[in-house]
Amino acid sequence: AQTVTQSQPEMSVQEAETVTLSCTYDTSESDYYLFWYKQPPSRQMILVIRQEAYKQQNATENRFSVNFQKAAKSFSLKISDSQLGDAAMYFCAYRSARYGTSYGKLTFGQGTILTVHP
Amino acid sequence: DTGVSQDPRHKITKRGQNVTFRCDPISEHNRLYWYRQTLGQGPEFLTYFQNEAQLEKSRLLSDRFSAERPKGSFSTLEIQRTEQGDSAMYLCASNFREGKGYTFGSGTRLTVV
Repeated sequence: AQTVTQSQPEMSVQEAETVTLSCTYDTSESDYYLFWYKQPPSRQMILVIRQEAYKQQNATENRFSVNFQKAAKSFSLKISDSQLGDAAMYFCAYRSARYGTSYGKLTFGQGTILTVHP
Repeated sequence: DTGVSQDPRHKITKRGQNVTFRCDPISEHNRLYWYRQTLGQGPEFLTYFQNEAQLEKSRLLSDRFSAERPKGSFSTLEIQRTEQGDSAMYLCASNFREGKGYTFGSGTRLTVV
């Protein structure tokens, strides 16, 4: 079974600065997807960024980028130029790319609460 | 596309009562997922539908839980004889095959008193 671990329960950052959220995962599979989701206090989970394991290039979406280290099974999220609206709970998630009964199911980490200070 | 809708947003029930939640996915999404999220934790997978077929159920889904997706459209999650441990946020998500991500609903918060 796959597991996802986020070792930072809480992080804080000053507005306009950069913060990195950590995520490690454990899997025996070689083909999978990794995600970062944001869950603001309004509760709806929003996709931040997605990475395919077969791609060596790190995904980037505007101010959000990842550092994907497949051998180390590490998938960190970097938020540049942090904004007050970035404050939320962030979840790292894993999804198998193998077709079968587990196909499509997300396995989430425990989450990291990000606070942005003005 | 109005997103994934969940109803109700909040539900308070007495222990032992039955409750039912509804999820309306995005219309063209054929896959629908239910997750449970307790306070301060990540969501945990409960069950998955592809169209009307329930293809996977987690061991978290005890015999008191049942989910349906008639006609492959909306889905319902019923909890019978609720227990205090059932108190959680119940999230629904949908997607379409190799879509880039999943669209989540805002969840139903269940409180069992």
